[in-house]
Amino acid sequence: SAVISQKPSRDICQRGTSLTIQCQVDSQVTMMFWYRQQPGQSLTLIATANQGSEATYESGFVIDKFPISRPNLTFSTLTVSNMSPEDSSIYLCSVLQGNGYTFGSGTRLTVV
Amino acid sequence: DQQVKQNSPSLSVQEGRISILNCDYTNSMFDYFLWYKKYPAEGPTFLISISSIKDKNEDGRFTVFLNKSAKHLSLHIVPSQPGDSAVYFCAARSMDSNYQLIWGAGTKLIIKP
Repeated sequence: SAVISQKPSRDICQRGTSLTIQCQVDSQVTMMFWYRQQPGQSLTLIATANQGSEATYESGFVIDKFPISRPNLTFSTLTVSNMSPEDSSIYLCSVLQGNGYTFGSGTRLTVV
Repeated sequence: DQQVKQNSPSLSVQEGRISILNCDYTNSMFDYFLWYKKYPAEGPTFLISISSIKDKNEDGRFTVFLNKSAKHLSLHIVPSQPGDSAVYFCAARSMDSNYQLIWGAGTKLIIKP
């Protein structure tokens, strides 16, 4: 299965600023997903990012707040823009290979 | 509307005994189910999956059972080991979902020595 390097692993940010999270995959994958896990909650899909097309956002998530780049088949970034304390969560990227979904180690974001 | 439900937030099991984690779903279009384990400060790790054409899948200490008529699946871990202490998520995929997974809320499994 794919190996994903996700950075940063954690960050503490001031409200109103932006943070960009990176995921690097050791093999080429078509489908990549970005999730958010709020404290004590399940994983919520933010968007699906396929190379060569615009990301598809789920209800409640918009591109202005969570812009995503997918420049090639091994890399993607998610930016959390104009952060507020409500954005404090774990953010995870995931890729699909065959029927298997592999996850990055997550980014724990705290907004103060 | 929660399509995938894990009704037990936590479960405590004695080491060496069987752990049974349950998951219910409402969407009859789900055709693929997965179980993941998650430790704090790590991403979810795949454990085992099952297709809707099967009712059982086994991998070492882990067995998943699927009861389609009841829209219920369960994960059995036997024997339970201290390293199994983690949060377990079940996830489901619909045949028309563009490969997106729907996740349960998770069950925290605690293995007591």
